Amino acid sequence: AQKVTQAQTEISVVEKEDVTLDCVYETRDTTYYLFWYKQPPSGELVFLIRRNSFDEQNEISGRYSWNFQKSTSSFNFTITASQVVDSAVYFCALSGGSNTGKLIFGQGTTLQVKP
Amino acid sequence: EAGVAQSPRYKIIEKRQSVAFWCNPISGHATLYWYQQILGQGPKLLIQFQNNGVVDDSQLPKDRFSAERLKGVDSTLKIQPAKLEDSAVYLCASSLVGAGGPRSEQFFGPGTRLTVL
Repeated sequence: AQKVTQAQTEISVVEKEDVTLDCVYETRDTTYYLFWYKQPPSGELVFLIRRNSFDEQNEISGRYSWNFQKSTSSFNFTITASQVVDSAVYFCALSGGSNTGKLIFGQGTTLQVKP
Repeated sequence: EAGVAQSPRYKIIEKRQSVAFWCNPISGHATLYWYQQILGQGPKLLIQFQNNGVVDDSQLPKDRFSAERLKGVDSTLKIQPAKLEDSAVYLCASSLVGAGGPRSEQFFGPGTRLTVL
């Protein structure tokens, strides 16, 4: 069975601090895809990144970076120099390569960035 | 480019009543998904369409939920009769392709918040 665990329910930081959101996944598929989505208070899920299981290179996009480690089944997300606008719920999700594309979501991590 | 459209944004009904939600995906997206997001949880897939065919409805409570995508474009999700536990946000998403891989990113609409009293 596929499963995504986001152990951090809520994180609170002060603006300009760095923060890392953890994501651990379980799957028996050899080909799979990992995603991060942001859900601001407005409620709409915003796509941030997709990573396939064969690409373990870390990725950086502005203040965002992602660390994918197959050895520990983790796909962590770091925000550098956090800003108040980063306050949202962040979801990690998994899609098996052989299935229909269904996303299995974690429980989400609520990030609060205080000024 | 217009995003995924959903209506209504909010709905309040009594238990045992029926309700319908509408979704219009991004133009050209063949795959459409309906997710249910209960407060404090991640979204859970209810049904996936590829064009106008159902790909996955394994988690759809078929005794009360139904969905259709007749012309392969917009879709409706219906609940009849509603129960208290159906209170949730119903999210519609679309993607160019259905399986994982390039172009499989799902883009979500704003959701419909349903409250069942």
